[in-house]
Amino acid sequence: AQSVTQLGSHVSVSEGALVLLRCNYSSSVPPYLFWYVQYPNQGLQLLLKYTSAATLVKGINGFEAEFKKSETSFHLTKPSAHMSDAAEYFCAVSDRITGGGNKLTFGTGTQLKVEL
Amino acid sequence: GAVVSQHPSWVICKSGTSVKIECRSLDFQATTMFWYRQFPKQSLMLMATSNEGSKATYEQGVEKDKFLINHASLTLSTLTVTSAHPEDSSFYICSATPYSVNEQYFGPGTRLTVT
Repeated sequence: AQSVTQLGSHVSVSEGALVLLRCNYSSSVPPYLFWYVQYPNQGLQLLLKYTSAATLVKGINGFEAEFKKSETSFHLTKPSAHMSDAAEYFCAVSDRITGGGNKLTFGTGTQLKVEL
Repeated sequence: GAVVSQHPSWVICKSGTSVKIECRSLDFQATTMFWYRQFPKQSLMLMATSNEGSKATYEQGVEKDKFLINHASLTLSTLTVTSAHPEDSSFYICSATPYSVNEQYFGPGTRLTVT
């Protein structure tokens, strides 16, 4: 069974500061890993995904994440936070099964607050 | 590309009535669609997986007779909440994925309030 753990349900940073959102995964097979962002009363938007190419994955809005197999981690970072980054962030994992249609298992989410 | 829509975006219904939520993939054919439920301040919980032309597969603990899912075409799936009760009030989100793509594209969600 797969699972993801997001450490810290709430993270607060100052505008311009580094953003670090933590995600650790558990999977019996090589995983696909995703980070999604959700703004209030909206669906999920994909920030980035790891699918076994480069271990450092760059996404939209300046976010990136590094896949570290030895640490079973896929932490999300952004060098400089912007007020518009305030949102809920979800890490998710799925199995590598061909043909698409893979189930996603979500973490519990991290609410990012950006302060002036 | 890869746009998924949901209709309605919000709905209020009376206890005991049924409500249907539509999920459409606008610019691709979705061989698989997923339905999630999200309570306030919580993560997404997968309710069921549906493949076009076949019966949906429900997650453990989800009442299939209460949450009817139909995936009649490659661009449309519907979730019908039957005999809704206040505890069914939630945010329902669908996602869709085309064949051979290991990524889900999410709809904007539907807020259901049962009074």
